[in-house]
Amino acid sequence: DAGVIQSPRHEVTEMGQEVTLRCKPISGHDYLFWYRQTMMRGLELLIYFNNNVPIDDSGMPEDRFSAKMPNASFSTLKIQPSEPRDSAVYFCASSPSFRAGAFFGQGTRLTVV
Amino acid sequence: QKEVEQDPGPLSVPEGAIVSLNCTYSNSAFQYFMWYRQYSRKGPELLMYTYSSGNKEDGRFTAQVDKSSKYISLFIRDSQPSDSATYLCAIDEDSNYQLIWGAGTKLIIKP
Repeated sequence: DAGVIQSPRHEVTEMGQEVTLRCKPISGHDYLFWYRQTMMRGLELLIYFNNNVPIDDSGMPEDRFSAKMPNASFSTLKIQPSEPRDSAVYFCASSPSFRAGAFFGQGTRLTVV
Repeated sequence: QKEVEQDPGPLSVPEGAIVSLNCTYSNSAFQYFMWYRQYSRKGPELLMYTYSSGNKEDGRFTAQVDKSSKYISLFIRDSQPSDSATYLCAIDEDSNYQLIWGAGTKLIIKP
């Protein structure tokens, strides 16, 4: 398996623009997580899904953030409108079970100017 | 006080040394303890996973949990330059999924 695949790897956008990050989890993994990592705040869980259903989105910072998982092999994280403070590395991770530990993708480095 | 405390380092040691990385936590309900390794510009990679107290060994890596002291450790024997990375601890309760992450310790192994 190729692991968790995220796209794009890098994204530079202007403030106010919509940004969509994409993730393909490892096949057979029932759990999918979206994280954000910054120097100041470290790694933060934004939202996680179980069997394509959002379970906990309490980490989503604002209504500008939304996430979807239309099927078992694809998820998106959307920011609309984007702001400079959204600049961070966004990771998608998947896991075969609730407490198995997560497999992370390579991340999307987002810069909002 | 943060729920999980981890010294950010950097910790610099010579090749071949034994490395000790540590986290302390405040919530006695935590039951699941993980160590991840993160290379620069890469995603975190699961190294070790332990449940409750005790030791777990995997090759050159040993994870240790002391629940009475709320202290977890990761030991690396015969450290190699390729071990240079940031090491993050992650801790979870038993009742629900609320993984709490340490800030990560940057480790540098000097050849």
